[in-house]
Amino acid sequence: QQQVKQSPQSLIVQKGGISIINCAYENTAFDYFPWYQQFPGKGPALLIAIRPDVSEKKEGRFTISFNKSAKQFSLHIMDSQPGDSATYFCAASRNSGYALNFGKGTSLLVTP
Amino acid sequence: DGGITQSPKYLFRKEGQNVTLSCEQNLNHDAMYWYRQDPGQGLRLIYYSQIVNDFQKGDIAEGYSVSREKKESFPLTVTSAQKNPTAFYLCASRRGVQGATNEKLFFGSGTQLSVL
Repeated sequence: QQQVKQSPQSLIVQKGGISIINCAYENTAFDYFPWYQQFPGKGPALLIAIRPDVSEKKEGRFTISFNKSAKQFSLHIMDSQPGDSATYFCAASRNSGYALNFGKGTSLLVTP
Repeated sequence: DGGITQSPKYLFRKEGQNVTLSCEQNLNHDAMYWYRQDPGQGLRLIYYSQIVNDFQKGDIAEGYSVSREKKESFPLTVTSAQKNPTAFYLCASRRGVQGATNEKLFFGSGTQLSVL
């Protein structure tokens, strides 16, 4: 049973455009929401994370928007670049000590 | 050079055979995890260990076994009971135990397991 639902499954964006990936969760006990980036043949790496006490967090071109009442959060990649082409996973966990529950991933392709 | 080392990078299993995937970390992390990745399925938790000599089943533990005899090592055995073992296996670690403030999960580069 998927605890975190992610969409879209794949996304094609032109260079310079905005990439948006959405996630939704059901468990209101979740209080940690990271995004991971994975390149082919490699393990995922933490990109950015947010806690529910803030509605937005920005790091460079990457922004997480968080809507606690809707139980949704999203990743926005501004000025998308071909080097951003990768698979992105959202995740959630209850208390920082618990194992992460991952979404199914979004394959992003940024075209030149 | 600190990190998580998974070996081998590619592994082939014959019918009825048990195989063991290695995971070693030199980050002095307490918690270690095994995830299975299938195309379009995301990462699913197999087993995790918060401390040496203790581990818990994840969502898809059937057909797998683990041990945690040393802090730096968390090997995963894929047994013959796992009927569909072909997947990309990822090991990860995290510094703190439950309630710790450092939540970042560090991943290895993975092992691709295929059935002959």
